[in-house]
Amino acid sequence: AQTVTQSQPEMSVQEAETVTLSCTYDTSESDYYLFWYKQPPSRQMILVIRQEAYKQQNATENRFSVNFQKAAKSFSLKISDSQLGDAAMYFCAYKSNYQLIWGAGTKLIIKP
Amino acid sequence: SQTIHQWPATLVQPVGSPLSLECTVEGTSNPNLYWYRQAAGRGLQLLFYSVGIGQISSEVPQNLSASRPQDRQFILSSKKLLLSDSGFYLCAWMGGNGNNEQFFGPGTRLTVL
Repeated sequence: AQTVTQSQPEMSVQEAETVTLSCTYDTSESDYYLFWYKQPPSRQMILVIRQEAYKQQNATENRFSVNFQKAAKSFSLKISDSQLGDAAMYFCAYKSNYQLIWGAGTKLIIKP
Repeated sequence: SQTIHQWPATLVQPVGSPLSLECTVEGTSNPNLYWYRQAAGRGLQLLFYSVGIGQISSEVPQNLSASRPQDRQFILSSKKLLLSDSGFYLCAWMGGNGNNEQFFGPGTRLTVL
């Protein structure tokens, strides 16, 4: 069965600095999708970025980018120029058939 | 564009009372629909998902049930609430457009007293 592990329960970063959130997963599939979601204090789940496993190129969305290492089964999220509005829980997820398999989340604190 | 609605936003219910949470999706057809529960500061626990009308898959044995009476309507129910049913309930949908991500409603905060 697929599993997703986020080993950092909490991370903090100074405003305007860069932070990387870690995610590893376990699967025997060769083609799949990976996601990072953000959940701010409002608790609305928001998709941050998506990566398709067959694509070699790392996905990028403005200040958010991923480091996708397929062989190592690693999918980290880099946030550049951190802003106060980035403070949230961040969840990594793996798509398996009809479901998403979720990590436990990382709480990101932004220091002003 | 697609939108997803959940109501109520907040609910306080006594132990032993029934529950009905509703989720509707607009702007898409034949979506996959999901109910999640989230405890405070924790991750998402998948409760039920549905790939079509009347088709419900349960992921966790519990005091809850789900129904899908219409294509874009998903209902979470309980006949008798327990204290442990308190939490934040999220509905989500996933379409067949190839993107494969799930889109979430605003959630319902349920407190059972």
